[in-house]
Amino acid sequence: AQSVTQLGSHVSVSEGALVLLRCNYSSSVPPYLFWYVQYPNQGLQLLLKYTSAATLVKGINGFEAEFKKSETSFHLTKPSAHMSDAAEYFCADRGQGGKLIFGQGTELSVKP
Amino acid sequence: GAGVSQSPRYKVAKRGQDVALRCDPISGHVSLFWYQQALGQGPEFLTYFQNEAQLDKSGLPSDRFFAERPEGSVSTLKIQRTQQEDSAVYLCASSLVAKRTSTDTQYFGPGTRLTVL
Repeated sequence: AQSVTQLGSHVSVSEGALVLLRCNYSSSVPPYLFWYVQYPNQGLQLLLKYTSAATLVKGINGFEAEFKKSETSFHLTKPSAHMSDAAEYFCADRGQGGKLIFGQGTELSVKP
Repeated sequence: GAGVSQSPRYKVAKRGQDVALRCDPISGHVSLFWYQQALGQGPEFLTYFQNEAQLDKSGLPSDRFFAERPEGSVSTLKIQRTQQEDSAVYLCASSLVAKRTSTDTQYFGPGTRLTVL
């Protein structure tokens, strides 16, 4: 069955440090991958999406992700963490009919 | 409206009660999705509408769950005889297009947090 795996349910970084959130997918067909961010008591907001146009995808708030087919990965990075980046991050793949299949989520904490 | 809205934002129900959760999608959006997000988990698909047609309800966990979108805009998710395991955040999302291969963005509402006592 199609699935998305996020390694690490919790990641903690210092302000100004590199952010790396890991995501692996299992789809056997070309995937369409998404990263969403969820702040407390809010809905999900799209950070970026991969649609096969380019392997390096730039999103909002300085985030970017690189699609690597050989590794079935779509890791999210940001060169310098900001306190406002603290939130829950979800990786998702598009399933049949357009529904999203989400990973378990990674909570990002940013230390001052 | 400017975004997807959901009501109520919070709902407390006693076990066995029926509840109805409302979703107002972005005006003109054809596709509407419902997801269930348990505490500490990622959202899981429940059901999908294209206009008023419910094309996929494979994610509904039991026949106590029912969703409708009679006029192709507002949608209601109804849960009958609620159980404690139904406690979760219910998210609604809408997208503009309807193509099965579309990568169109799904825009999410803030969710309804349901607590069943």
